[in-house]
Amino acid sequence: NAGVTQTPKFQVLKTGQSMTLQCAQDMNHNSMYWYRQDPGMGLRLIYYSASEGTTDKGEVPNGYNVSRLNKREFSLRLESAAPSQTSVYFCASSSNPGPYEQYFGPGTRLTVT
Amino acid sequence: KQEVTQIPAALSVPEGENLVLNCSFTDSAIYNLQWFRQDPGKGLTSLLLIQSSQREQTSGRLNASLDKSSGRSTLYIAASQPGDSATYLCAVVESDMRFGAGTRLTVKP
Repeated sequence: NAGVTQTPKFQVLKTGQSMTLQCAQDMNHNSMYWYRQDPGMGLRLIYYSASEGTTDKGEVPNGYNVSRLNKREFSLRLESAAPSQTSVYFCASSSNPGPYEQYFGPGTRLTVT
Repeated sequence: KQEVTQIPAALSVPEGENLVLNCSFTDSAIYNLQWFRQDPGKGLTSLLLIQSSQREQTSGRLNASLDKSSGRSTLYIAASQPGDSATYLCAVVESDMRFGAGTRLTVKP
């Protein structure tokens, strides 16, 4: 089992460009999450999907969109990247929403110039 | 709004020392608390998960305790090794997961 995989690992964008971060899990989990991690701060939730076909905003959703493509895949899209979106992005999954252990991917390091 | 704080932000100890990492949270109405390890440039590895009804969890040299009433958790690492060097994050789960900023641990040979 690969667990949670993310692509790409690194990306550099110019302000105003768009891109999609991909996430997939092979653990048959119902719930998936996108977080960002900034220096000196903990991870903050951007969006989550409690189950296939549903998505909800987290703590910092502005500037992002998500798609739960199927049970395995959950993508994060930046329509018009801004320097404030420079961060490390982590995808996670859990068997169900709420108090269940979350498993994390290796992260995508994004720089917006 | 739930606030999670980890003190100290950084800690350096000699190999073999026992140490305690601290995590505090402001709202005691949590479902569980999870401790993670993060190596530089890597993702998060779950170490221990404590359900709200539990007081502690143990895994090898690691022991995590939870005191909901005081809003505190500690991660105890026994006989520290250089391989334990990493950033340790705690996170609490209410309706979603809230993270502390982490403690960066360095264990010197």
